[in-house]
This record gives sequence, structure tokens and C-alpha cells, in this order.
Amino acid sequence: EAGVVQSPRYKIIEKKQPVAFWCNPISGHNTLYWYRQNLGQGPELLIRYENEEAVDDSQLPKDRFSAERLKGVDSTLKIQPAELGDSAVYLCASTAGYFPNTGELFFGEGSRLTVL
Amino acid sequence: AQTVTQSQPEMSVQEAETVTLSCTYDTSENNYYLFWYKQPPSRQMILVIRQEAYKQQNATENRFSVNFQKAAKSFSLKISDSQLGDTAMYFCAFMKLTSYDKVIFGPGTSLSVIP
Repeated sequence: EAGVVQSPRYKIIEKKQPVAFWCNPISGHNTLYWYRQNLGQGPELLIRYENEEAVDDSQLPKDRFSAERLKGVDSTLKIQPAELGDSAVYLCASTAGYFPNTGELFFGEGSRLTVL
Repeated sequence: AQTVTQSQPEMSVQEAETVTLSCTYDTSENNYYLFWYKQPPSRQMILVIRQEAYKQQNATENRFSVNFQKAAKSFSLKISDSQLGDTAMYFCAFMKLTSYDKVIFGPGTSLSVIP
């Protein structure tokens, strides 16, 4: 079974440039998460999807961040324009989201963003 | 709101020895899950062990076991017979049992296993 796939693994951009990250969750997982992980810290939730609906985007900086999950499968997270403080690893995770849900999140390898 | 605290930013242990990582959390919920996740250097995060709050018995997975103290809101991870491959960041995490709510992570503990 294929795991959560993210791309790109690494991205270096200059500030004010746009950037996009893509995530393909495990087949059949209807709940998808985007987390941001700053260096040496725990992941912080940006947005959570159940199917194609964003059910929790309270921590997403909506002035510059946007996300979509068309057809309830793949998801894209976009930053425009990027700022120096956006340098972090962006993690995508998925889970079945239906009973019996063990609660386990399956993570991708992450997309490391460096903003110069 | 739920919070998760890990008071040990860094720890080290000799190979084959036992180490315990601490975690405390704050919640008004009665039904929830607690997790320990492992994030090796430059590799993806994986689940180590999971505990349902309604179960009194502490979870175990091979060399990994937890000490779950619900009243004290404490959830420590014990790693026995430490191996070099255990070197990683360890994150304690919390999730409400209802509606598959978001998972909240602690700040992590960096564990180094010394040969």
C-alpha cells in the first residue's frame, strides 16, 4: 500500500514569491491534514479536511495561505506571497476518519520550504 | 483548549539501557486518545504507541510501553533496551475521541542513543 506522498521535498524561494505543495493521501483516507513544523518544534495544524470540506482552518493565515482538496483526494497548499517566517517543513497526513478509527495519522515525508 | 507539554527538550541514553520520556496534557474531555510519534532525522513521522483513555491497562508495543495516569494527566513513554535506531524526535500527541478531531502535538523530545 502506497503511503502519503508529498511534493516537492525541498523548495527554496525568495520572499514575496509564491509556492505550492501537493499531497496525495493514502487511498481511502477521507481525512487530510496540513501541519507546519518549525525547526525543533512540534507540528501545528493549519487545516483539516473531511473529504473535500475544510472542517478546521482556524489556524490557516488566510491572507497569504490557501488550500484546496478537489474531489476529496489530492490536496494543494499554497502560499502567496511567501515571507521569511514561512520557512518550515509542511507536513501532510491522512487518516481513515471513519469507525473504527484508531486515530493514527499517516504522514508524508514533508516539504521543506526555505524563504530567502 | 487542549495542550500537550513535554518538559524534556533533549535526552540521551546508552545503548541497551532504558529511558523514560515525559508528557503531560490538559483537557476537560473524558474520552480521548494519546499517542507517541517518532520522527527520525530527515524521515517521516510514524506512530510508536497509542493509548485509549478509557482503558486502564497501559499500552505496550515490544520495547515501548507507556505509563498512563489519567487523573494526573500524565503519559510517559518508556523505551527498554535502547537501540541506535531509536535516535529521533519523539512527540506526545492528543486527540479527542469524538468526531476524529485534530491531533495536538507537544513540542517534542530529542532522544539520542549513544553507542
